Amino acid sequence: GAVVSQHPSWVICKSGTSVKIECRSLDFQATTMFWYRQFPKQSLMLMATSNEGSKATYEQGVEKDKFLINHASLTLSTLTVTSAHPEDSSFYICSAPRPSGLREQYFGPGTRLTVT
Amino acid sequence: ILNVEQSPQSLHVQEGDSTNFTCSFPSSNFYALHWYRWETAKSPEALFVMTLNGDEKKKGRISATLNTKEGYSYLYIKGSQPEDSATYLCASPRGGTASKLTFGTGTRLQVTL
Repeated sequence: GAVVSQHPSWVICKSGTSVKIECRSLDFQATTMFWYRQFPKQSLMLMATSNEGSKATYEQGVEKDKFLINHASLTLSTLTVTSAHPEDSSFYICSAPRPSGLREQYFGPGTRLTVT
Repeated sequence: ILNVEQSPQSLHVQEGDSTNFTCSFPSSNFYALHWYRWETAKSPEALFVMTLNGDEKKKGRISATLNTKEGYSYLYIKGSQPEDSATYLCASPRGGTASKLTFGTGTRLQVTL
């Protein structure tokens, strides 16, 4: 069964509004989670690393004020797209590393965001 | 910058065919190489995590090899089935085994009857 859930699976919002996406680890604690974005026909691009109890670290070129990340507990990270614009329309997906062993990533099912 | 590249971009085979894809990555500062299968409307699912040069892993009809000295990994599928249709992604962590991944663009496999 799924070990990382993501909600919502899709969302349509109007320009200027904010959208929150939740990523939850199920049955394990995740001190670190990752947020990726995928544009059509492109690879998954890392946006930021979400750290429980501390600030997120953002990849170069990702606006931290635009994409707010909060990792409030050991099982929940949220990504808020603030003042969304059509160019923010994309597929957003989160992951968390397996707590032990070879540290493969567990992924959520992703969120399709459409900004109109 | 860590560049991970995959080929081919897409592949269309018939049921029963065997096939393979390539993932290339920088050989310096190597930590691990991940393979994931991503079926439409589902979460990417880890297939293998490989760390040692010469490593070979197998899961059912799927296997993978790793050459860290030359920076490539092959994924093989023997006797492809329609349920193997998916995008296969490889990725390499940048700063340690549990760190952020750099992904290739994936190989999209379609298996038809």
